[in-house]
Amino acid sequence: DTGVSQDPRHKITKRGQNVTFRCDPISEHNRLYWYRQTLGQGPEFLTYFQNEAQLEKSRLLSDRFSAERPKGSFSTLEIQRTEQGDSAMYLCASSLATSGGSGNTIYFGEGSWLTVV
Amino acid sequence: AQTVTQSQPEMSVQEAETVTLSCTYDTSESNYYLFWYKQPPSRQMILVIRQEAYKQQNATENRFSVNFQKAAKSFSLKISDSQLGDTAMYFCALRSDSNYQLIWGAGTKLIIKP
Repeated sequence: DTGVSQDPRHKITKRGQNVTFRCDPISEHNRLYWYRQTLGQGPEFLTYFQNEAQLEKSRLLSDRFSAERPKGSFSTLEIQRTEQGDSAMYLCASSLATSGGSGNTIYFGEGSWLTVV
Repeated sequence: AQTVTQSQPEMSVQEAETVTLSCTYDTSESNYYLFWYKQPPSRQMILVIRQEAYKQQNATENRFSVNFQKAAKSFSLKISDSQLGDTAMYFCALRSDSNYQLIWGAGTKLIIKP
């Protein structure tokens, strides 16, 4: 399977605990994105990497959220001191930076569901 | 600012019928791309079809086709011979060369009835 993969697919955690999600992008894709989606809503942009550099963070991403992509391949999204409002699906996506063509298509993983109780 | 508007929160059609989902957008960019994504109950966001703004020809992918009206900034999705598996949320999205983000519409819930 050469698609975007995310792990874990589901996570239930107690409020105040830390959680970490992992994303493996499509091989050779140099751009990686994290989005958050709640029921009935479209995805909300969280952050974006080109290779290992984090180039943009949304205002939605509070100080409790941190994302890394240390070697420009897989990425992790950590949420510290989780709150019930963090319950959502966290989507990872990737694309290949080119000047046009299929490189402008962003491909999504299956998402990681977080439930904070 | 770039915006995407989907004015149909929900649509329902019988299996085998044709259905059209509407999308309008606004951008000042000259080079941009438009997408329709499908999100079934399994929740994975799946690319249905894409359209480059510089191409006049409407994109088609099997039963899926678009009606791209650049001057009107309209990008509708037509699904022919609809199938039960087409039941999903459909999101219209916009991306420009100068912006790595996707700008999303609010989505249209499509229900295909047997």
